[in-house]
Amino acid sequence: EDKVVQSPLSLVVHEGDTVTLNCSYEVTNFRSLLWYKQEKKAPTFLFMLTSSGIEKKSGRLSSILDKKELFSILNITATQTGDSAVYLCAVRPNTGNQFYFGTGTSLTVIP
Amino acid sequence: NAGVMQNPRHLVRRRGQEARLRCSPMKGHSHVYWYRQLPEEGLKFMVYLQKENIIDESGMPKERFSAEFPKEGPSILRIQQVVRGDSAAYFCASSPPSGNTGELFFGEGSRLTVL
Repeated sequence: EDKVVQSPLSLVVHEGDTVTLNCSYEVTNFRSLLWYKQEKKAPTFLFMLTSSGIEKKSGRLSSILDKKELFSILNITATQTGDSAVYLCAVRPNTGNQFYFGTGTSLTVIP
Repeated sequence: NAGVMQNPRHLVRRRGQEARLRCSPMKGHSHVYWYRQLPEEGLKFMVYLQKENIIDESGMPKERFSAEFPKEGPSILRIQQVVRGDSAAYFCASSPPSGNTGELFFGEGSRLTVL
């Protein structure tokens, strides 16, 4: 059965800290991996990764994919209180129409 | 360009009533997905539709749940004879036609509470 596992489930850090969120997957016929940020509303798109070893970067956020070891990490440097959210990882296979989501990592950044 | 619009944002129903959730995709998007999110759980796929077609309903419960995406108007997720276990946030997402970036754009969700 295809699945996506995220860790840790929750994380509390102080402003300025750096965090690493993990996403491992077991999906047949991998196509892409996506990261979303969910505050108390719609999940918003962060990154889509399709190739191993190529870092995607947006400001203080970056992400990389390892297709051999079947995982991705999302890094956030110099965290701010506005980074507090649930970060969702999703994997899309080549076949079918589903995006498989993990349960998310809840990040809380304390001032 | 308005995003994915869902309504109502909050819906309260008593057991046995019907719930109808609506979703208008982003302009230019022809694919609609419905996901359910229970507390402390991830987003669970329910159904994928294109205009007038259900493409994949493998995540839909076999009874009481149905979805449509008519030629005109929003996509509708319908839950008949609701039970307490149906209480959840229901998210709609849309995507452009195949061949584009492949990401999903989400609405803000409809939160159903069954009393």
